[in-house]
Amino acid sequence: DQQVKQNSPSLSVQEGRISILNCDYTNSMFDYFLWYKKYPAEGPTFLISISSIKDKNEDGRFTVFLNKSAKHLSLHIVPSQPGDSAVYFCAASDTGTASKLTFGTGTRLQVTL
Amino acid sequence: EPEVTQTPSHQVTQMGQEVILRCVPISNHLYFYWYRQILGQKVEFLVSFYNNEISEKSEIFDDQFSVERPDGSNFTLKIRSTKLEDSAMYFCASRNRANTEAFFGQGTRLTVV
Repeated sequence: DQQVKQNSPSLSVQEGRISILNCDYTNSMFDYFLWYKKYPAEGPTFLISISSIKDKNEDGRFTVFLNKSAKHLSLHIVPSQPGDSAVYFCAASDTGTASKLTFGTGTRLQVTL
Repeated sequence: EPEVTQTPSHQVTQMGQEVILRCVPISNHLYFYWYRQILGQKVEFLVSFYNNEISEKSEIFDDQFSVERPDGSNFTLKIRSTKLEDSAMYFCASRNRANTEAFFGQGTRLTVV
């Protein structure tokens, strides 16, 4: 039961260009979405989030877009830097009291010189 | 900056043995979670804990698993009789309210032999 899907297991982008990572979800009860960055043998690091009442949230080089009707969100990184190379997970939660995060399968981003 | 800390970083145990994984969440946080990631797979929810009780648990969190918050600062995950398939990275996370970012620890790599 994959409620959160990241269909691209990997992505390669040149330094300075835009990276676009995509995520789809199926559960209409999700109302809060997050992106995490993860290096091997480390815990996920929070990047950016968006509430379902918004369609865009921006923080520096990172922008998250949410399309509720399509149940789709994306993370844009501009400009991409070699240090951005990592696995990116999208996650979603609903309005439950201690609502868990449901993670996607991850996209490995490689930023090349 | 406050962080979630986990100990040990690596635990090797024999099949059938009990293990306790320890976590110190961020001090003013109210919601606590355990997740795990089997090598190469996605981050999976195990259990959430709020107001001194389990809020939700996944199918993975069977009778062999238990959680405790014994002293107001530590949050532990116990596996009573480990199986080979319990080998994974285990992550503790905390958040101060629902629909905010969850902060993850660096993880404990559990190897069952």
